[in-house]
Amino acid sequence: EVQLLESGGDLVQPGGSLRLSCVVSGFTFTTYAMNWVRQAPGKGLEWVSAIGTSGFDTFYADSVRGRFTVSRDTSRNTLYLQMNSLRAEDAAVYFCASKIPGQNPYTYWGQGTLVTVSS
Amino acid sequence: EVVMTQSPATLSVSPGERATLSCRASQSVGGNVAWYQQKPGQAPRLLIYGTFTRATGIPARFSGSGSGTEFSLTISSLQSEDFAVYFCQQYDNWPPWTFGQGTKVEIK
Repeated sequence: EVQLLESGGDLVQPGGSLRLSCVVSGFTFTTYAMNWVRQAPGKGLEWVSAIGTSGFDTFYADSVRGRFTVSRDTSRNTLYLQMNSLRAEDAAVYFCASKIPGQNPYTYWGQGTLVTVSS
Repeated sequence: EVVMTQSPATLSVSPGERATLSCRASQSVGGNVAWYQQKPGQAPRLLIYGTFTRATGIPARFSGSGSGTEFSLTISSLQSEDFAVYFCQQYDNWPPWTFGQGTKVEIK
């Protein structure tokens, strides 16, 4: 059974930091590109970041570039998102999602982890 | 950036009726469009990819059509479990991968 399990969401003050994790099982982690997608309360889906299978290719939305860092650890089957200088507008449920590299949709999604940014 | 625009924002449909959801891209995205279903408190689920192809386990009442900049998702006979929010996504021109703002299908 495919599982993606996010963790690390929390209440943090503006300017603070968090690290999100996504542990995957049930598919070959090394053959899938991984993504973070977020959803603010009552809003739509916004792509945040992506990382290729090797971990060398990384991509960021303009809204988070320079503040967020995506990485993956193949030995732990885990995807990470280091979030620094958090802003109120970063508050959302963060989903990890996997896709086959190239022009392909998001095949598998986790259940999400909630990040709240407030003083 | 490719902007995906969905319409309508809300669609009120009776069970058993047909529902058609639309998605327009700001530039051609070939056939690289997917549709996702999201229920409250849940993750999105892939329904359709490549404009037409149903994902594994998706019932035949869901179908996709379109090309270029205009795409549609049709649910031929709405079941109770189909009332949800639906998002289109383009994965032709990236980054960024972009989504429509969603269409909520509610019970009439």
